[in-house]
Amino acid sequence: AQSVSQHNHHVILSEAASLELGCNYSYGGTVNLFWYVQYPGQHLQLLLKYFSGDPLVKGIKGFEAEFIKSKFSFNLRKPSVQWSDTAEYFCAVMSGGATNKLIFGTGTLLAVQP
Amino acid sequence: GAVVSQHPSRVICKSGTSVKIECRSLDFQATTMFWYRQFPKQSLMLMATSNEGSKATYEQGVEKDKFLINHASLTLSTLTVTSAHPEDSSFYICSASAQETQYFGPGTRLLVL
Repeated sequence: AQSVSQHNHHVILSEAASLELGCNYSYGGTVNLFWYVQYPGQHLQLLLKYFSGDPLVKGIKGFEAEFIKSKFSFNLRKPSVQWSDTAEYFCAVMSGGATNKLIFGTGTLLAVQP
Repeated sequence: GAVVSQHPSRVICKSGTSVKIECRSLDFQATTMFWYRQFPKQSLMLMATSNEGSKATYEQGVEKDKFLINHASLTLSTLTVTSAHPEDSSFYICSASAQETQYFGPGTRLLVL
């Protein structure tokens, strides 16, 4: 069965620190990859997505992610976090086909200290 | 663009009653919508896939007679929790699909007393 792993459940950083959140998936075929963010009290918002092409994807708010096919990974990065980045981050995989179903990771709660 | 709304945002009901939650794509048409349930401090669990004009596809373990889904138009899907019980209390989230990307609604908090 397909699965998505986010190994960091909680991350605490100080402002201006660099961020990298891990995401690994298990699926051998073609995948579409996503990172969503959920700010406190708000709904899920799309940060970035990868379908094909350049494996380094840039998203909103200075976030980027790199697809490494050989490692089945799609890690999220930001060079310098801000207090406003405090949120929960979800990695998700769409395995293709007609259903467009998303498989979500368990989420990483990021707390940025001012 | 790609805004999805849900109504109501929160609802409290008595055990045994039915509750309808609406999911609308406001600025795009969505042939496919999805319904999720999110437990506290956990990820989203897909309940069902809703296709316009056809029956919904339910995930394993989700009771289709309890969670009725109707996708009457390209911009509206409804989830009805029938004969709700306290264990159905949860956060229900819908999403609408456009160009292989899901856009999420703000969620509906259901509390069954």
